[in-house]
Amino acid sequence: AQSVTQLGSHVSVSEGALVLLRCNYSSSVPPYLFWYVQYPNQGLQLLLKYTTGATLVKGINGFEAEFKKSETSFHLTKPSAHMSDAAEYFCAVSTNTNAGKSTFGDGTTLTVKP
Amino acid sequence: NAGVMQNPRHLVRRRGQEARLRCSPMKGHSHVYWYRQLPEEGLKFMVYLQKENIIDESGMPKERFSAEFPKEGPSILRIQQVVRGDSAAYFCASSQGTGGDEQYFGPGTRLTVT
Repeated sequence: AQSVTQLGSHVSVSEGALVLLRCNYSSSVPPYLFWYVQYPNQGLQLLLKYTTGATLVKGINGFEAEFKKSETSFHLTKPSAHMSDAAEYFCAVSTNTNAGKSTFGDGTTLTVKP
Repeated sequence: NAGVMQNPRHLVRRRGQEARLRCSPMKGHSHVYWYRQLPEEGLKFMVYLQKENIIDESGMPKERFSAEFPKEGPSILRIQQVVRGDSAAYFCASSQGTGGDEQYFGPGTRLTVT
């Protein structure tokens, strides 16, 4: 079984400030971890993913995430928020043993204040 | 290379009617996943299909819901005798493989049951 917990359903930052969106996962086997972004009335777009190898993963739009096995975490960060980053962000986990089925967190809505 | 296509984008049905949602995966992708997103919630897995086969339907409600992915044509998610609680956004995703392969999402079909 696998699960994802996103701490904080709403996060608000000022433009130019650090963005930190938290994600903790649970998995009995090595996980694959993903962050997606969803803009209003649109589908999900992949920001970045971790499968194996380097634990610090860089994605699109300046986002990155670090896989920390000891903390079962995969937090998403961006050094400087931009107004266009305002959206909903989803963390997801899948494994090799569940036929690729992804389990999603409930999402975090990011608001960027001018 | 066209992305994942879903149609219709918006669908309004009265209680008791049938809803048919279509999904055409990306070219070269043989794995299709359907997810449901209720208002203010994350995505919930419904079903995973490959051509002509249902691989995992553990997220599908036991009654009224069915899915197929025929040899030719799009994948279909069918909801019979819709109820107000079926109102949601339904997303289709496709991937080339499973596990660590990323899923590409369509724009979704927003079903409203009146």
